[in-house]
Amino acid sequence: EIVLTQSPVTLSVSPGERATLSCRASQSLSNNLAWYQQKPGQAPRLLIFGASTRATGIPARFSGSGSGTEFTLTISSLQSEDFAVYYCQHYNSWPPFFGGGTKVEIK
Amino acid sequence: EVQLVESGGGLVQPGGSLRLSCTASGFIFSSHWMHWVRQAPGKGPLWVSRINSDATGTDYADSVRGRFTITRDNAKNTLYLQMNSLRAEDTAVYYCARAPSYGDYWFDFWGQGALVTVSS
Repeated sequence: EIVLTQSPVTLSVSPGERATLSCRASQSLSNNLAWYQQKPGQAPRLLIFGASTRATGIPARFSGSGSGTEFTLTISSLQSEDFAVYYCQHYNSWPPFFGGGTKVEIK
Repeated sequence: EVQLVESGGGLVQPGGSLRLSCTASGFIFSSHWMHWVRQAPGKGPLWVSRINSDATGTDYADSVRGRFTITRDNAKNTLYLQMNSLRAEDTAVYYCARAPSYGDYWFDFWGQGALVTVSS
């Protein structure tokens, strides 16, 4: 089973600043990684698939990069609606697995 | 607009059973693999089960295999999860989620979730 480790657990950022979130895999994933955003009381929302492809309707300030075992989600200029928990998820092998999440909070 | 609406959650005693439903609209339900994903309080999501588009193939997380059964009725655009022999550790919000293409294990649309609480 491939395990994903997200860091940091909590990221404090001021509005307008850049946020960089990390996801590390215990084995190579190629580019089979997705990122989701989750706000309190809501379901996760797909942001990125294939490590770097934005889902439909996702603003360009969200970008994904990486391959193999190291992946990054970057939010170029944080807006108020971006404060949330972010999860990475691999689908390279069975079973699919989610990371523990990074909470992006207002500094 | 794609919509997935879960129902059937609630409080159940350990060892009990519950059936969740997920009604789909806004897309051709019979063309998509469908999944159940759960999320315990304060934890990350955890994949539970999937069913292929014509209901001929299923698989399950080790933690639920033999206790949970996923089914679908394409005529009713509805996905189900029958949960038996429930345990306290099954307490979670259960989401149905759509896979965008054949064989995908990532999810482009999610329902709002159904809370299942297993407690005496």
